[in-house]
Amino acid sequence: EVQLLESGGGLVQPGGSLRLSCAASGFTFSSYAMSWVRQAPGKGLEWVSAISGSGGSTYYADSVKGRFTISRDNSKNTLYLQMNSLRAEDTAVYYCAKGGITMVQGVIMLDYWGQGTLVTVSS
Amino acid sequence: QSVLTQPPSVSEAPRQRVTISCSGSSSNIGNNAVNWYQQLPGKAPKLLIYYDDLLPSGVSDRFSGSKSGTSASLAISGLQSEDEADYYCAAWDDRLNGGVFGGGTKLTVL
Repeated sequence: EVQLLESGGGLVQPGGSLRLSCAASGFTFSSYAMSWVRQAPGKGLEWVSAISGSGGSTYYADSVKGRFTISRDNSKNTLYLQMNSLRAEDTAVYYCAKGGITMVQGVIMLDYWGQGTLVTVSS
Repeated sequence: QSVLTQPPSVSEAPRQRVTISCSGSSSNIGNNAVNWYQQLPGKAPKLLIYYDDLLPSGVSDRFSGSKSGTSASLAISGLQSEDEADYYCAAWDDRLNGGVFGGGTKLTVL
């Protein structure tokens, strides 16, 4: 059974940093692209970032480029999102999701999702 | 303003059929596969349709997807109360070099 478990969310002040983790199980983690998707309170879904199975390719939404860094440790079956220079508009539930084997199409074809972790940016 | 445009809401009676549209451009829907997600209240999204018109294992065949040019549609037949949810289309965007979602459509079963 595929399971994705996010952690690391919480309350942080504007300008602060936070690192999210997503522990994966039930599939060959290193074979699949992974994405982070967020949802601000009462709003729609926003794709944030993606990484290839090997970790060699990464993509970012313009809204987070230069502030967020996606990475993965395939030996630990864990996905990360390092978030720096956080802003109020980054407040959202952050989901990690399993993508496809290939990048591009696989980045947004997300067949399993975690339960999400809430990040609140406020003073 | 989302890159992919969906109607904010649709409604229909039980046992009827409803369609949800998703309009994009040549850099996303026109050149890449469309995926659809269902998000029940308080839950994580669920993949409903992938590669324009394919159903993941376990998804009811009451759901179907189609695409023509730079637009896509999700159809739900035999509406049931448990279909009340938010529905999102998504695709890769070649110009943005990233994934994009539609703004979401709230389905109400009357």
